Parts: sequence; C-alpha cells; structure tokens
Amino acid sequence: AQTVTQSQPEMSVQEAETVTLSCTYDTSESDYYLFWYKQPPSRQMILVIRQEAYKQQNATENRFSVNFQKAAKSFSLKISDSQLGDAAMYFCAYSPYNFNKFYFGSGTKLNVKP
Amino acid sequence: DGGITQSPKYLFRKEGQNVTLSCEQNLNHDAMYWYRQDPGQGLRLIYYSQIVNDFQKGDIAEGYSVSREKKESFPLTVTSAQKNPTAFYLCASSHTGQDNQPQHFGDGTRLSIL
Repeated sequence: AQTVTQSQPEMSVQEAETVTLSCTYDTSESDYYLFWYKQPPSRQMILVIRQEAYKQQNATENRFSVNFQKAAKSFSLKISDSQLGDAAMYFCAYSPYNFNKFYFGSGTKLNVKP
Repeated sequence: DGGITQSPKYLFRKEGQNVTLSCEQNLNHDAMYWYRQDPGQGLRLIYYSQIVNDFQKGDIAEGYSVSREKKESFPLTVTSAQKNPTAFYLCASSHTGQDNQPQHFGDGTRLSIL
C-alpha cells in the first residue's frame, strides 16, 4: 500500500529566510510521480511543483525546489526567500505511474513571520 | 477561462437527508475525483472516475454515491448512511495518460449538519 508521511504538522519561518518541509513515502513501484500542493486559507489547492521519479534532477520552480532522494523515499520541499504569501498548508502527494490516483500526506502548516 | 466549478460553497444537511454536491469542469479532462478533508488532516479519496459511465470507490466511499453521465460533470451525493458528513469536500480533475498530469481542484464545498 502506498502511504505518504509528513512528520511536521506545523513550521514557522522568518520572512526572507529559507525553510524545508519534509515528506516521505512508501511504495514498491519504481516509476511514479510526486507533487507538492499549497492550500492557503482560501482552501484552494494550488500545484507548487511536480517531480518524475525516473528523473534524477531535482525539480525547481522559482523559489521552490525539491530534494528528491529515491532510495530513501524522501521528497522535501525547500522554499527560499520566504514571503508572507507562502503561509499555507502544504501537502505532499504520490501518484503511481500511468495511474492518476493520488495519495496525499496529512499536511504541514507553514507560518511566515514578518 | 477553463476551470472546475463546485457548488454550493456552503451546504447544510438535516438528519436523514441526502444532499448532492455539484462539480463541473471545462478543462476537457477525462478523470475526475472527490476528496474529503477534515480539520488537520489531508485529503482522503471518496470516489474517482477515469472515463464517462465508469467510476471506482476510493478509500472512504461508504455513505457516498456518484454518477458520471457526462465528461464535464461528476456529482457527489452524501447519503443519510454517512453518519459524520461534516467536512470540506474538494473535487478535482486531470488528464489521463502515462505522464500523470497534476490534478486541478475546485474551490470546495463545506458541508455541515443542522
């Protein structure tokens, strides 16, 4: 069974600083996709970044980057130069290759202090 | 603009009553999904559909029913058999295929018991 674990229920970061959110997952598959979604207070789910497991290169989207460690089944999200608008719940998600079912972690609430 | 529309935004259910949550998308996505989100928890899959006139149970399907008569629409009925329906419900859609496109989400419906 696939499971996704986010061990940090809540984190805080000072504005302009860097923060890393952790995510681990369990799977027996070799090909899959990983995602980070952001859910601000408006409750809208917004895609932050997507990683394909067969690609060794870590995905990057502007201030957001991931550290993908396939052997360790770890997929952490790094937010650089944190902004007040980054404050939200962040969910890590796993999706098996060629099967669009998603498995979500329990989320990490990120607070950004001015 | 293309997107996913969920209605209503807020819904109240009386004891013994069935209620239906609407989800419409104009993204031409084949797959659609319903998730339930409880406070402090991640998203749990209720039902999903990869193609018209076909759908599968997710992890918490008991007390819920769906239909997929049109590609654009995937309504969710919360039946009286669902004893704890108070939650935030999110609908999502995605393309199907080998590259696991990300899911796009609606703005959600908050269901409460009267």
